[in-house]
Amino acid sequence: SAVISQKPSRDICQRGTSLTIQCQVDSQVTMMFWYRQQPGQSLTLIATANQGSEATYESGFVIDKFPISRPNLTFSTLTVSNMSPEDSSIYLCSVDPGTEAFFGQGTRLTVV
Amino acid sequence: AQTVTQSQPEMSVQEAETVTLSCTYDTSENNYYLFWYKQPPSRQMILVIRQEAYKQQNATENRFSVNFQKAAKSFSLKISDSQLGDTAMYFCAFMGYSGGGADGLTFGKGTHLIIQP
Repeated sequence: SAVISQKPSRDICQRGTSLTIQCQVDSQVTMMFWYRQQPGQSLTLIATANQGSEATYESGFVIDKFPISRPNLTFSTLTVSNMSPEDSSIYLCSVDPGTEAFFGQGTRLTVV
Repeated sequence: AQTVTQSQPEMSVQEAETVTLSCTYDTSENNYYLFWYKQPPSRQMILVIRQEAYKQQNATENRFSVNFQKAAKSFSLKISDSQLGDTAMYFCAFMGYSGGGADGLTFGKGTHLIIQP
């Protein structure tokens, strides 16, 4: 299993600013995943972050908007850049050390 | 690319009843996992049950069981003796393997399950 600590749990931000979300895992994992959950919607994969390489982004998501860092095997950050109200969502990090995915508690972002 | 379809946006049953949530998926992969996750208002994603595609036997976890029909690409969740604490969003999810590692999950749109007292 894996325990994931995600910070902040929630934030209210002004449009045009950026927010960095942190994800800390209690064990070393090869891949970490970032998801977005828009209000009342399902989870959508933003990108996969491997340590030591560039993150791989899904269709519709770009590095300039959602830069990701993965400095080691237990930590990753997702930045939401130049925010607009449409970025208001829950952002979740996840790891898959074997045969199931574990999730952080999520970050509820509101952009005003 | 994989797709996961949940055709029931919302379901409501009485406490102690049995309820079945439907899920179908589409993939060309042979090696994959299927999951049901529960998301209560706390928004924490909680694993309910997992099924390996290579296993013919349906997974069971206490009151939760699945009906996995690989040929039909169907993966339904049955909740027996439903309890008030089962009220939540339920997501069906697919996990494949490519490039030597697990892919990110593909989720269905979810079913909002309400257990009535």
